[in-house]
Amino acid sequence: GAGVSQTPSNKVTEKGKYVELRCDPISGHTALYWYRQSLGQGPEFLIYFQGTGAADDSGLPNDRFFAVRPEGSVSTLKIQRTERGDSAVYLCASRLAGGGNTDTQYFGPGTRLTVL
Amino acid sequence: DAKTTQPPSMDCAEGRAANLPCNHSTISGNEYVYWYRQIHSQGPQYIIHGLKNNETNEMASLIITEDRKSSTLILPHATLRDTAVYYCIVRSTSNTGKLIFGQGTTLQVKP
Repeated sequence: GAGVSQTPSNKVTEKGKYVELRCDPISGHTALYWYRQSLGQGPEFLIYFQGTGAADDSGLPNDRFFAVRPEGSVSTLKIQRTERGDSAVYLCASRLAGGGNTDTQYFGPGTRLTVL
Repeated sequence: DAKTTQPPSMDCAEGRAANLPCNHSTISGNEYVYWYRQIHSQGPQYIIHGLKNNETNEMASLIITEDRKSSTLILPHATLRDTAVYYCIVRSTSNTGKLIFGQGTTLQVKP
């Protein structure tokens, strides 16, 4: 079946611009996660959705970053006033259920964001 | 969640077993050990997880020491396609399910 998909695969923008990154989770998965991966580093947690609500946004670096999941499926990560330091690969992952159970988290291929 | 320590890099000959170690000396009773890998330019891929018993699936085996302070991921017959960064992650079932990645081990499988 279809896995987690992310669009666009690559995004180049200029400093100060606004960008939106989209994640389509696996159908029926209620839990959705965003991570950010800088070059040479492991992925870093940003935010977790259970259904439509952000249950944990402790990883968002500042208020320029915002994410939504209005219908409990597709999610959009929004970055305002982009800075060069925002350049990274943004990964999305989904799980069948949320909370503390041990079911597998499936990752998408990521969106590579480059801020010039 | 407990912190993990992995060697930054390892080599393995194609066809041989790859044994990737991980230390998690501060692991607590309700924390699972997870392994993911990331092949270049792809998202992380789940491999296996365990609590205290050894586990095996079609991809790998996970050996956890009796005191649970360390574990080893075993790829029984490494192929060139197994070249990747391997992440050992300890996760509590009481949290939101977020994964805390370290630097991982870069495994290079050589012909």
